[in-house]
Amino acid sequence: NAGVTQTPKFRVLKTGQSMTLLCAQDMNHEYMYWYRQDPGMGLRLIHYSVGEGTTAKGEVPDGYNVSRLKKQNFLLGLESAAPSQTSVYFCASSYGGLANEQFFGPGTRLTVL
Amino acid sequence: TQLLEQSPQFLSIQEGENLTVYCNSSSVFSSLQWYRQEPGEGPVLLVTVVTGGEVKKLKRLTFQFGDARKDSSLHITAAQPGDTGLYLCAGFQGGKLIFGQGTELSVKP
Repeated sequence: NAGVTQTPKFRVLKTGQSMTLLCAQDMNHEYMYWYRQDPGMGLRLIHYSVGEGTTAKGEVPDGYNVSRLKKQNFLLGLESAAPSQTSVYFCASSYGGLANEQFFGPGTRLTVL
Repeated sequence: TQLLEQSPQFLSIQEGENLTVYCNSSSVFSSLQWYRQEPGEGPVLLVTVVTGGEVKKLKRLTFQFGDARKDSSLHITAAQPGDTGLYLCAGFQGGKLIFGQGTELSVKP
């Protein structure tokens, strides 16, 4: 099993450009999450999904959109990237909700110039 | 608002030394998780503690949940270079999982 995979691993954008980060999991988990990790800030939840076709806002949702068209995939979109969105983005999945063990992907390092 | 404070933020020690990392809050948590993250990887769950005063051991790592469920500690005995990484605590409260800012541990041979 591959677990949680993320595409791409690295990306550099110019301010105003758009992009989509793809997350895939093969563990049949209902819950999926997108986090960003910044130095000294820990992990902050951007958006999450409790099942196929559902999405919900997390702690820092502004500037991001998500979609969960298939149970195994969770997409994170940046419509108009800003330098403040420079970060490392992690996708995670879990069988139950946030109190349960989360399985994280390897991360995507995004730089917005 | 940072609800979970980890200390120290950085720790550099020699192989064989003991260390303790603290995770403190003024809030009560239903449960608390500890993750370890290696460079270039995502966090991996080490343990979950749910009962006040609970102690769990994972080889040389000992985790304790405070009696009032507001704080937790991670103690590593005889640290090894393989223990190097970022240690994150995360508290579950009110349907939310709050992460501490992490403790960067470096164990030198």
